[in-house]
Amino acid sequence: IAGITQAPTSQILAAGRRMTLRCTQDMRHNAMYWYRQDLGLGLRLIHYSNTAGTTGKGEVPDGYSVSRANTDDFPLTLASAVPSQTSVYFCASSERTGGSGANVLTFGAGSRLTVL
Amino acid sequence: GQNIDQPTEMTATEGAIVQINCTYQTSGFNGLFWYQQHAGEAPTFLSYNVLDGLEEKGRFSSFLSRSKGYSYLLLKELQMKDSASYLCAVEDSNYQLIWGAGTKLIIKP
Repeated sequence: IAGITQAPTSQILAAGRRMTLRCTQDMRHNAMYWYRQDLGLGLRLIHYSNTAGTTGKGEVPDGYSVSRANTDDFPLTLASAVPSQTSVYFCASSERTGGSGANVLTFGAGSRLTVL
Repeated sequence: GQNIDQPTEMTATEGAIVQINCTYQTSGFNGLFWYQQHAGEAPTFLSYNVLDGLEEKGRFSSFLSRSKGYSYLLLKELQMKDSASYLCAVEDSNYQLIWGAGTKLIIKP
């Protein structure tokens, strides 16, 4: 089934630990995104990639890094986790990066991260 | 700053009609989206408006007024499975999506 796979589904980790959330898509979409979703707030963009080999910072990039070595994979790394990074993380992808027409996002199932 | 406003929570009765409003102030406008998100699941795309007017898709319709910075999502013949959060998002002039906090819709029998 075409779509986006995120791993892990949930994780509890100690503050200061390094953590990588994995994201893989099989739709050959150009653009990929990482969002965090917190209660009472809208989805907030962490980082994005318009095409393989390029990345950009979103609204809340501090403490996070990404890479886009190929079209399918877009991992998100927390170098040294802090409790404020406790959240649900969604990876998403879309066909286009700008121009006319609806830029519809397809989301992964999410990764629930708790930092203690 | 950029802002999307929508009610936090709404309650409606099975079989009825409900309208979820969304107002926005953004740097430019390249379209407005509605997504549905069931509890514990990923958001899924519902509708897209870029021109003023009503877009109908089955039981769901979405309306846009660009001059008023206003949209609504209309859900008809409500079913229990429509209980979910509904997210309004606007694509700004940089083609970035600005998201509202979502409206939690509770359907009662």
